Amino acid sequence: EVQLVESGGGLVQPGGSLRLSCAASGFTFSNYWMSWVRQAPGRGLEWVANIKHDGSDKYYVDSVKGRFTISRDNAKNLLFLQMNSLTAEDTAVYYCARDPRVVDYWGQGTLVTVTS
Amino acid sequence: DVVMTQFPLSLPVTLGQPASISCRSSQSLVYTDGNTYLNWFQQRPGQSPRRLIYKVSNRDSGVPDRFSGSGSGTDFTLKISRVEAEDVGIYYCMQGTHWPPFSFGPGTRVDIK
Repeated sequence: EVQLVESGGGLVQPGGSLRLSCAASGFTFSNYWMSWVRQAPGRGLEWVANIKHDGSDKYYVDSVKGRFTISRDNAKNLLFLQMNSLTAEDTAVYYCARDPRVVDYWGQGTLVTVTS
Repeated sequence: DVVMTQFPLSLPVTLGQPASISCRSSQSLVYTDGNTYLNWFQQRPGQSPRRLIYKVSNRDSGVPDRFSGSGSGTDFTLKISRVEAEDVGIYYCMQGTHWPPFSFGPGTRVDIK
């Protein structure tokens, strides 16, 4: 059974940093592109970033370029999102998702709240 | 960037009656490999999104057959043949053809009259 379990969310002050993790299981992690998708409170879904199966290509939505970094550890089946210079607009539930072109599996999400 | 629009944004339905949600993209979603990467997701209250339909019309395993997807090019439709109480939630279309960025529609809220 495919499972994606996010962790690392929490409360952070504006300008602060947070690192999200996603533990993958039930499939060959190293064979898949992975992505992060977020959802601000009461809002729709927004793709944030994705990474090629071997980590060699990474893409970001414009609003996080230069602040967020997606990475992965295929040996440990882990996906990461390093978030720096956080603002209130980054407040959202962050979902880990498999295969960004078709998004066949989602995690349960981890809430990031940026507030002073 | 491809812009996805949906209508209606709110859809009150009567139990047992059909429902239809439209999704339109700002450019054709046919990819060079011949596939059209248009997906539909359901998000029930308090839950993560769940994929219902991929590549326009392919229903995911475990998805009731009352859900169906159709369309081509820039115009797509999700239909529920007979709405049940468990179908309440927000439905999103999403394109995976032209990226980055991947883009979602604004969502259609389905509730029971």
